[in-house]
Amino acid sequence: QVQLVQSGAEVKKPGSSVRVSCKASGGTFSDYPITWVRQAPGQGLEWMGGINPLLGTAKYAQKFQGRLTITADESTSTAYMELSNLRSEDTAIYYCARGGYGSGSYSVDPWGQGTLVTVSS
Amino acid sequence: QSALTQPRSVSGSPGQSVTISCTGSSGDVGAYNYVSWYQHHPDKAPQLMIYDVTKRPSGVPDRFSGSKSGNTASLTISGLQAEDEADYYCFSYAGTFTFVFGGGTHLTVL
Repeated sequence: QVQLVQSGAEVKKPGSSVRVSCKASGGTFSDYPITWVRQAPGQGLEWMGGINPLLGTAKYAQKFQGRLTITADESTSTAYMELSNLRSEDTAIYYCARGGYGSGSYSVDPWGQGTLVTVSS
Repeated sequence: QSALTQPRSVSGSPGQSVTISCTGSSGDVGAYNYVSWYQHHPDKAPQLMIYDVTKRPSGVPDRFSGSKSGNTASLTISGLQAEDEADYYCFSYAGTFTFVFGGGTHLTVL
């Protein structure tokens, strides 16, 4: 059974960057895409983007174009989400999840436990 | 990409049925049979309840069902139980490897 374990909580200054990791276990990492989703306080879930680890290709929501980079390291079965030029509105819980990215994978399951990123001066 | 439209809240008594709607456009919900639904309890990771509009993952009770008509998908929960109280989100493929969530619906079991 696939399990996704994310890195720990982060506190960042406005204008800085954050990188959150998502390590997969219990399956073949390259078999499925990885999707990143966030939830700001009091808000709903928001699709950020995803990556196909086999191809190394990523797709981002238009809102995050230029600030978001999603990568995957097959050797360590780990996906990464890096968000730059952070602002207070980026304070949120960030989740990784297996699936998405289309090409036969249109839902996401399971999910990581979530990583709280707080942006504060 | 605009979020799919869901009611902010719905409610029902134990044993009753509720339906949560998810309205999109001809570019997402209406274009593809790739709508999924997620249950989200506070301080927990979301859980997949329905995928590909109508399919239920193993382990999800058959009280949960999904459907779609035109640009609107729906999640129906029958035989409501206290543990069903949670936030529910729809999620649709929107083409060219992009996706969009609904705004979320809070279900209260009275």
